Parts: sequence; structure tokens; C-alpha cells
Amino acid sequence: EDKVVQSPLSLVVHEGDTVTLNCSYEVTNFRSLLWYKQEKKAPTFLFMLTSSGIEKKSGRLSSILDKKELFSILNITATQTGDSAVYLCAVPNTNAGKSTFGDGTTLTVKP
Amino acid sequence: GAVVSQHPSWVICKSGTSVKIECRSLDFQATTMFWYRQFPKQSLMLMATSNEGSKATYEQGVEKDKFLINHASLTLSTLTVTSAHPEDSSFYICSARDVAGETQYFGPGTRLLVL
Repeated sequence: EDKVVQSPLSLVVHEGDTVTLNCSYEVTNFRSLLWYKQEKKAPTFLFMLTSSGIEKKSGRLSSILDKKELFSILNITATQTGDSAVYLCAVPNTNAGKSTFGDGTTLTVKP
Repeated sequence: GAVVSQHPSWVICKSGTSVKIECRSLDFQATTMFWYRQFPKQSLMLMATSNEGSKATYEQGVEKDKFLINHASLTLSTLTVTSAHPEDSSFYICSARDVAGETQYFGPGTRLLVL
């Protein structure tokens, strides 16, 4: 059975801090790993990673994948209160036709 | 970027009525759409996977006669909660997978409250 594990489950930081969120996975037929941000609504797409070692970057957010060690990290630098959200990691299983989601990391950024 | 819409965003109904939720991919074709429900402070729970033109595949424990899914076109899927009861109150979210088959884009969700 496919498995996606995120850590930590929750994190509280102050504005300006840098955070690293982790996602490890065990899936068959791996092709990609996805990161989402969920505030009070539905998740919004952040990154799709397919290749090891290639960093994807969007503003203060960046992510990288390690296919050998089966994990990905999501970094957020100079955090702001608007970064407070649940960050979800998901791995599509192309055979099963659906994605396996981690339980998410709840990030709280205090002013 | 890819946009998925859901309608309605909020619905309040009486117990015993049926509620239909629409999910549309606005600027891309989605051969596969997914329906999730989420309770407060809990993870997304996949209910069913729907492929255009075929029957939906339901996850274990999800009653297919209660949650009717129709995926009539490459841009529209509907979820009908039949004979809704208060325990069906939840946040229902659809997502659509693009043709390349990798990225899922989520709709904004529908909050259902059954009185």
C-alpha cells in the first residue's frame, strides 16, 4: 500500500524564520510528487517534482526531491503570517489512478 | 494556470433532501476527477475517482448509492448527496487531473450543512 508521511505534523514559528517541511514516501510506480498549500479553503497547487536534485522555486518557497532516499522537502524562507496554512504532500499512483496524500504539516507563523 | 470551479460554494439543506454539487475544469480537459470530503482539522479523504464516460470508482466505506457521481464530459463532474443527513455535513472538494495525468488541481470546495 502506498504511503506518504509528512513531518512535523505541526510547527509554530515567528515571522522571519525559515522552515523546512518534510515528506517521505513509499509508492509503486513513482513518477512525481506534488506540494499543496491549504488555508481555509481547498488546496492550492505549489510544486510538482519529478527529478532528483532539481530545485523548484517560487518566491520564498522552494522544494527539492531525492528519489534515492524517497523524500522531498519544502522550504519557506523569511516566513510571513500569510504562510500559515496546512502544507500537503501527495504522490500520484498512475496505476491506481489516484493520489496518496500525507496528513499535512500545519504551519503557524506568529507576528 | 489550471482552474477548477465548484458550485455551489455553500449549501444548507434540510435532512432528507438531495444536494447536487458541480465541478468544472475551466481551461483544461480532465479525463479524471476526484471527490474528497474533509472534516474540520482532518485530512482530505478521497471518496471516489471518476473517469469521463464511465462509472466512478468508490473508496472503501463510501456508499455509491448515497453519493452519486456523474462525469458526463471532459470538463464536468457532479456529486449528488442523496437523502442528506446531518452526519453528511462536511467540506466537499473536487479536483481534476490534467491530460498529462500528473497534477491535480482542486476546486474551491463546497461546504454542506444539513439541518
